[in-house]
Amino acid sequence: GEDVEQSLFLSVREGDSSVINCTYTDSSSTYLYWYKQEPGAGLQLLTYIFSNMDMKQDQRLTVLLNKKDKHLSLRIADTQTGDSAIYFCAETAGNNRKLIWGLGTSLAVNP
Amino acid sequence: DADVTQTPRNRITKTGKRIMLECSQTKGHDRMYWYRQDPGLGLRLIYYSFDVKDINKGEISDGYSVSRQAQAKFSLSLESAIPNQTALYFCATSDSRRGGGEQYFGPGTRLTVT
Repeated sequence: GEDVEQSLFLSVREGDSSVINCTYTDSSSTYLYWYKQEPGAGLQLLTYIFSNMDMKQDQRLTVLLNKKDKHLSLRIADTQTGDSAIYFCAETAGNNRKLIWGLGTSLAVNP
Repeated sequence: DADVTQTPRNRITKTGKRIMLECSQTKGHDRMYWYRQDPGLGLRLIYYSFDVKDINKGEISDGYSVSRQAQAKFSLSLESAIPNQTALYFCATSDSRRGGGEQYFGPGTRLTVT
């Protein structure tokens, strides 16, 4: 069935780059998403990539998509303490009717 | 004002009680969702609604029911609460014209069942 996997924890030093990885199984996914959840808050859409793209850049964020390996990554350049959050990877499924979510990667940024 | 609001934000209730969580949105979106979040289990979809007359079960609908009173309102009920329904509950919305993936979340309701 459809599944999205991501590592649960990542710790980086302030100013370094963070790379959060995700693998998915549904090769028919149209879009893949990254959401961010700050402590005590709901999720917010961070960025997304269309399945026919292999890279998308948005300020400090770079999304890389390898369709052959069904691998998605989110790179945060110059990571700041405000980037500490849980990052969820998600893919569309069921003819865009809903999202399949990863369990989330908790990013800790150390000063 | 927030686009997606949830009430209450926190609730403690006893086993066996009926409880309703409410969600309202001002985004004009046609699709609405209820999720629960548990540590280590990520987000799980309880119910989703694509318009007022289209309501669908998600992966964990047992013990829950929903009502879509209007395009802007989607409520979740626990008919007889049990302790393993203790969780963080999120409502979300999306616009079908932009597919199902761009979802906008409310701030969440922390529910504790004792």
